[in-house]
Amino acid sequence: GAGVSQSPSNKVTEKGKDVELRCDPISGHTALYWYRQSLGQGLEFLIYFQGNSAPDKSGLPSDRFSAERTGGSVSTLTIQRTQQEDSAVYLCASSSGSSHSYNEQFFGPGTRLTVL
Amino acid sequence: AQSVTQLDSQVPVFEEAPVELRCNYSSSVSVYLFWYVQYPNQGLQLLLKYLSGSTLVKGINGFEAEFNKSQTSFHLRKPSVHISDTAEYFCAVSDRTGGFKTIFGAGTRLFVKA
Repeated sequence: GAGVSQSPSNKVTEKGKDVELRCDPISGHTALYWYRQSLGQGLEFLIYFQGNSAPDKSGLPSDRFSAERTGGSVSTLTIQRTQQEDSAVYLCASSSGSSHSYNEQFFGPGTRLTVL
Repeated sequence: AQSVTQLDSQVPVFEEAPVELRCNYSSSVSVYLFWYVQYPNQGLQLLLKYLSGSTLVKGINGFEAEFNKSQTSFHLRKPSVHISDTAEYFCAVSDRTGGFKTIFGAGTRLFVKA
């Protein structure tokens, strides 16, 4: 595709429910990142996938959060038993970088999650 | 571990005035440095980056930033701003030594007034 796409664009859920957020990276990009953007908090790194390497999960805030990347392309971020503090915009980015060189990250439009 | 501090949460400035958005970082290893911009209702896009070489880097829309290793700073500047520069600006740092996990600052909202 032309850019990184994310779905849904908006998600409203009730506390305690599970949600899945999807990211379609730019075709051919081997690196994929998830971030969380909260008001006044900037972007919080969540997880990073690079090719077939084990993902860097060091930013996931709790074991309720998990992510997978199937076939080296589409990624799904899952939040189980959502809490009100999970409300934020979840951003996905991809880059063509290998582990040996930096490449620009291209961001998707984000998914706005609201937990009631 | 790296961290990024953006010293100003909001910067109001009149059109055609100069502006500096401040960014300080901390890291025990060498880093790459970036500024990203998020215009209202749009996604983030890369404004400029410092990877190596000249410490003064130029980006899109007339912005530039200077890497100062001794002061661990990477301040963003523009000599004359336009209304269209109104946006949120994020400073970010990435570890050179392994992977490209990127840590972002809290952001600075630049508001350009006519």
